[in-house]
Amino acid sequence: KNEVEQSPQNLTAQEGEFITINCSYSVGISALHWLQQHPGGGIVSLFMLSSGKKKHGRLIATINIQEKHSSLHITASHPRDSAVYICAVTLIQGAQKLVFGQGTRLTINP
Amino acid sequence: DTAVSQTPKYLVTQMGNDKSIKCEQNLGHDTMYWYKQDSKKFLKIMFSYNNKELIINETVPNRFSPKSPDKAHLNLHINSLELGDSAVYFCASSFDRGHEQYFGPGTRLTVT
Repeated sequence: KNEVEQSPQNLTAQEGEFITINCSYSVGISALHWLQQHPGGGIVSLFMLSSGKKKHGRLIATINIQEKHSSLHITASHPRDSAVYICAVTLIQGAQKLVFGQGTRLTINP
Repeated sequence: DTAVSQTPKYLVTQMGNDKSIKCEQNLGHDTMYWYKQDSKKFLKIMFSYNNKELIINETVPNRFSPKSPDKAHLNLHINSLELGDSAVYFCASSFDRGHEQYFGPGTRLTVT
């Protein structure tokens, strides 16, 4: 079982819908990251959070440390949001390496 | 200005060859990383350097050898390439360990 699990693995929605992607982890962490990978392949960091909630434009990320769970929400989704969204955690032990979830492929249809 | 750059973007080579991928960052970061993304898009850490010192060395065949000539550069040399080495390799950097990471565009390596 992977230390970081995301759900769903694939998500298709219509433009304008509210999107939620979930991430659960089973290890001690110092931070959680949400990354976006577009079809062209580049990876962009969307959020890094260790508690509470962060918002950037139409994107909102939340984390519940006690439940070891995070969610990424997209409001008023748009076809340009179509991408793979990857949850990753910074391990609290050792050299603080990143461990990744398997990604969620999001497709927003016009 | 490109923050984290990698060369080449695409690399096609035959089994048994030796190849290198170069990475440079102009962000003044202290920590750099190499990640491998397999055909299922799963990312995994390979190596990390902090101030030119190797701090993470995952279970990677010793055919892979990272080299950091200075804080701004982290290169990856691969000897005796195998079919299973085909993947996308991403370089990344961060201000320090545990900080937000900035990724390069990736190098798609195809071994035939």
